[in-house]
Amino acid sequence: GAVVSQHPSWVICKSGTSVKIECRSLDFQATTMFWYRQFPKQSLMLMATSNEGSKATYEQGVEKDKFLINHASLTLSTLTVTSAHPEDSSFYICSAAASGTVSYEQYFGPGTRLTVT
Amino acid sequence: AQSVTQPDIHITVSEGASLELRCNYSYGATPYLFWYVQSPGQGLQLLLKYFSGDTLVQGIKGFEAEFKRSQSSFNLRKPSVHWSDAAEYFCAVGSGTYKYIFGTGTRLKVLA
Repeated sequence: GAVVSQHPSWVICKSGTSVKIECRSLDFQATTMFWYRQFPKQSLMLMATSNEGSKATYEQGVEKDKFLINHASLTLSTLTVTSAHPEDSSFYICSAAASGTVSYEQYFGPGTRLTVT
Repeated sequence: AQSVTQPDIHITVSEGASLELRCNYSYGATPYLFWYVQSPGQGLQLLLKYFSGDTLVQGIKGFEAEFKRSQSSFNLRKPSVHWSDAAEYFCAVGSGTYKYIFGTGTRLKVLA
């Protein structure tokens, strides 16, 4: 149980275009989802926290207008990188949390590799 | 402020040798503690977690970790390392808001 998927697993886009990444909880309802960014050989950097039906809460330094997050249902959150540039190339990982768990555990997706050319 | 420290950026061990990866945290309340492993280009896989009860926690792949409140530590151990254990290991501290604080990671290299 507690499987989280991401789509696509990798994507290449041209500079100036937008790209959408989906994060789905497959077998549980995720009241909270998180989006992380990971640079090579570095730790995960939390970008934002999203709760179903609410606006996402962005971490300091993360551009809200560039990284649009939507958590429209209890099983789906999307991250849209708008007007992407080469510096947005990175590994993006989502995670999901189900309410009511005693360990407050996040379940992680497999990640999406974004390359902007 | 809450923080997680993994003092060792890189560790190299020989196959069959024992392993200990260190994790120290700073957190005001009782923390929820996690160890994850990440292979190159992959997502995170949970090795084990602690949130209450027995302070020695058993995980997958033969890993264990011990929560020591007095030392604010949650070190990961394995008695005999396999070549397939080579990866990046992350310690994380959680709270009642589901939000994690990640350590900087320890990269494990295993010598044949």
